[in-house]
Amino acid sequence: NAGVTQTPKFQVLKTGQSMTLQCAQDMNHNSMYWYRQDPGMGLRLIYYSASEGTTDKGEVPNGYNVSRLNKREFSLRLESAAPSQTSVYFCASEGLAGFYQETQYFGPGTRLLVL
Amino acid sequence: KNEVEQSPQNLTAQEGEFITINCSYSVGISALHWLQQHPGGGIVSLFMLSSGKKKHGRLIATINIQEKHSSLHITASHPRDSAVYICAVRSSRTDKLIFGTGTRLQVFP
Repeated sequence: NAGVTQTPKFQVLKTGQSMTLQCAQDMNHNSMYWYRQDPGMGLRLIYYSASEGTTDKGEVPNGYNVSRLNKREFSLRLESAAPSQTSVYFCASEGLAGFYQETQYFGPGTRLLVL
Repeated sequence: KNEVEQSPQNLTAQEGEFITINCSYSVGISALHWLQQHPGGGIVSLFMLSSGKKKHGRLIATINIQEKHSSLHITASHPRDSAVYICAVRSSRTDKLIFGTGTRLQVFP
């Protein structure tokens, strides 16, 4: 099992460019998440999807859109990148790690630099 | 004030030392997680706790629900333990994870 995979690993964009970050999981999990990680701050939730076909905003959704293509894939799109979106982006999926308790499994991250 | 506070922010130790990282939270929770992030960036889950204590190898995690506090202990620390350790709580109100800012640990030989 590959777990959670993300592409690309690293990307440089110019202000105003668009791009899509891809995420896929092979653990048959229903819930998937997109986070951003910035220096001095904890991981912050951008968007999440509780199941195929549903998406909801998290703490910092402005400037982003998401798409839950199927149960495996959850993509994050930046329509018009801004320097404030320079960050490390993590995708995660959530599944049972014991009776009644769920844990999150993280992808390797995408480092995004917006110039 | 952050809902999840970790201390210390940075920690250096000599190989073999006993390490303690603390996490305090101010919200109602259903579970608390300890995560490890290595310099390469990947994040892995170490523990998930809702009460008491868990042990895995040289790592021990405890939680005191009444005091809203958790500790992560590393016994006989080793340079390969060098990483950022992140505390996260699952909010009982939103069912979402709230993350601390992490504790950067460096263990020197």
